[in-house]
Amino acid sequence: DQQVKQNSPSLSVQEGRISILNCDYTNSMFDYFLWYKKYPAEGPTFLISISSIKDKNEDGRFTVFLNKSAKHLSLHIVPSQPGDSAVYFCAARDSGNTPLVFGKGTRLSVIA
Amino acid sequence: KAGVTQTPRYLIKTRGQQVTLSCSPISGHRSVSWYQQTPGQGLQFLFEYFSETQRNKGNFPGRFSGRQFSNSRSEMNVSTLELGDSALYLCASSPNVQETQYFGPGTRLLVL
Repeated sequence: DQQVKQNSPSLSVQEGRISILNCDYTNSMFDYFLWYKKYPAEGPTFLISISSIKDKNEDGRFTVFLNKSAKHLSLHIVPSQPGDSAVYFCAARDSGNTPLVFGKGTRLSVIA
Repeated sequence: KAGVTQTPRYLIKTRGQQVTLSCSPISGHRSVSWYQQTPGQGLQFLFEYFSETQRNKGNFPGRFSGRQFSNSRSEMNVSTLELGDSALYLCASSPNVQETQYFGPGTRLLVL
């Protein structure tokens, strides 16, 4: 049973435009959410996180939005750059003694 | 600070053999987690260690085991290798439990 779902395996966006990556979760106990970016042959790199007490968190070109009632979060990248081409993983955890749960990832291709 | 290091980076084994993978966390980090990544499956949680104690274990058979040493370095072992164990094995460290995890580059294991 997948508790964190990234329903789009891939996404193509033109350079300079907005990239929107989506993530849905089913566990209402999740209260902290993270996004990681992964290039081939490298480990995932932490990008941005959000606590359930917020609905938005920004860091430069990256913004994460959280809609708790819909159990949905999204990562916006503006403007998208070719170097953003990577696989993006959404992850979630609760405040208890449980590990991070990851989605299967979305491959973003930014086309110049 | 040096990042998470994993050795070896690449490994080829045959069915039935056993393998040991090593992870050195970021200096000062006491929590280490291990994940298996296979194509299309995202990151599957294996174990989490903190202060030499296993805090969590994922849904993997007993052939998968791990440990953490007093200097926070960690090893994982897979015995009686099967073809399906071919994967990228990722180690992540964090200062304490429930804090943001930082990943190493991974060990790519190929079982023939």
